[in-house]
Amino acid sequence: KAGVTQTPRYLIKTRGQQVTLSCSPISGHRSVSWYQQTPGQGLQFLFEYFSETQRNKGNFPGRFSGRQFSNSRSEMNVSTLELGDSALYLCASSTGQGPHEQYFGPGTRLTVT
Amino acid sequence: GENVEQHPSTLSVQEGDSAVIKCTYSDSASNYFPWYKQELGKRPQLIIDIRSNVGEKKDQRIAVTLNKTAKHFSLHITETQPEDSAVYFCAFHPGGSYIPTFGRGTSLIVHP
Repeated sequence: KAGVTQTPRYLIKTRGQQVTLSCSPISGHRSVSWYQQTPGQGLQFLFEYFSETQRNKGNFPGRFSGRQFSNSRSEMNVSTLELGDSALYLCASSTGQGPHEQYFGPGTRLTVT
Repeated sequence: GENVEQHPSTLSVQEGDSAVIKCTYSDSASNYFPWYKQELGKRPQLIIDIRSNVGEKKDQRIAVTLNKTAKHFSLHITETQPEDSAVYFCAFHPGGSYIPTFGRGTSLIVHP
């Protein structure tokens, strides 16, 4: 099976701009979760989509949003970028049926200048 | 909210020594406890997991133990090798949630 893929891998944006990140899950996986990873903060959960519906949400401001398509691919959008949004954004897919292994993508490194 | 405390944040050992990382969680209803390894510049990957119906699980040089009464679980790595150097994250699923809550990570450094 092909693994989880994310595009783009690297992104440089200016404060105030917006950005869209994409994640393609493992075939057959219906759950896609997004995480923000910064040094010292570990993996902070953003939100989870299952069958095109947001099923869980973390404690991030409304500037962070996402969606999932019928083929389970997911996008994450960040509007009005701030310097503090610079991070590695990881998506992870799973079957979505109960607590199970999360399969992570390689991440998108976002730098906000 | 539910959280998990992970210690130590940094662990430095000599090649061949053992390493132990401990996590304490807050929700007694949790029943799945995975450990992820993230090498530098790479994605986190599951290395071992344990469910609450067992107290210990081994896979070659790594093992995980679970004490549900005390609400803590630990990762044990024996005969450490330089390639074990990475950040290790524990996680638990509060109330059987689909979404894991991660610890802050332990940076393990194995010196040759």
